[in-house]
Amino acid sequence: QVQLQESGPGLVKPSQTLSLTCTVSGGSISSGGYYWSWIRQHPGKGLEWIGYIYYSGSTYYNPSLKSRVTISVDTSKNQFSLKLSSVTAADTAVYYCARDVKIVGANWFDPWGQGTLVTVSS
Amino acid sequence: SYELTQPPSVSVSPGQTARITCSGDALPKQYAYWYQQKPGQAPVLVIYKDSERPSGIPERFSGSSSGTTVTLTISGVQAEDEADYYCQSADSSGTEVFGGGTKLTVL
Repeated sequence: QVQLQESGPGLVKPSQTLSLTCTVSGGSISSGGYYWSWIRQHPGKGLEWIGYIYYSGSTYYNPSLKSRVTISVDTSKNQFSLKLSSVTAADTAVYYCARDVKIVGANWFDPWGQGTLVTVSS
Repeated sequence: SYELTQPPSVSVSPGQTARITCSGDALPKQYAYWYQQKPGQAPVLVIYKDSERPSGIPERFSGSSSGTTVTLTISGVQAEDEADYYCQSADSSGTEVFGGGTKLTVL
């Protein structure tokens, strides 16, 4: 059973870069067949998809965040990571990583990590 | 940008049927998915491809689609079903989008 766990600083200063890592257990990122996504949730608000990566390194980002987002993968550690640059208070959110199931014409997220709260504040 | 519209809240008594809708122009061409999120927890997939139920999800959860609206139906609602529910789909470019969420209150 695949499990995901986010890790990284819980506090980031404005204008700096937010960096998070998702460690996957119970399955190999390199086995293919799945994509790996980051999703965030502002406090008390809804969900926002950030982007995904495939084990080969191919990525796709939400156009609304594309200029500030980089998602990378380390197959040797079975991890994928998120970098969000030039953060402001508006980037304060719970950040989730999730397995992105893509089948022709279909795409859903299952399972999700437990989430990690990142606060942007000086 | 593409939007999925959900009612902010739905209330139902235990044992009754709850219906949560999600509307979007692309839904006739794209599948929809539903997630349940309880306070302090990560979302959990409850319906995929409009009406398929993952293993482990109770049979009282079902999904349907009609035109630009998809519906999550919870039959015989139980107190444990009280949660926020989010629909998800994609726009024509492949960007994943979530609805604003619906808070289900079990009276």
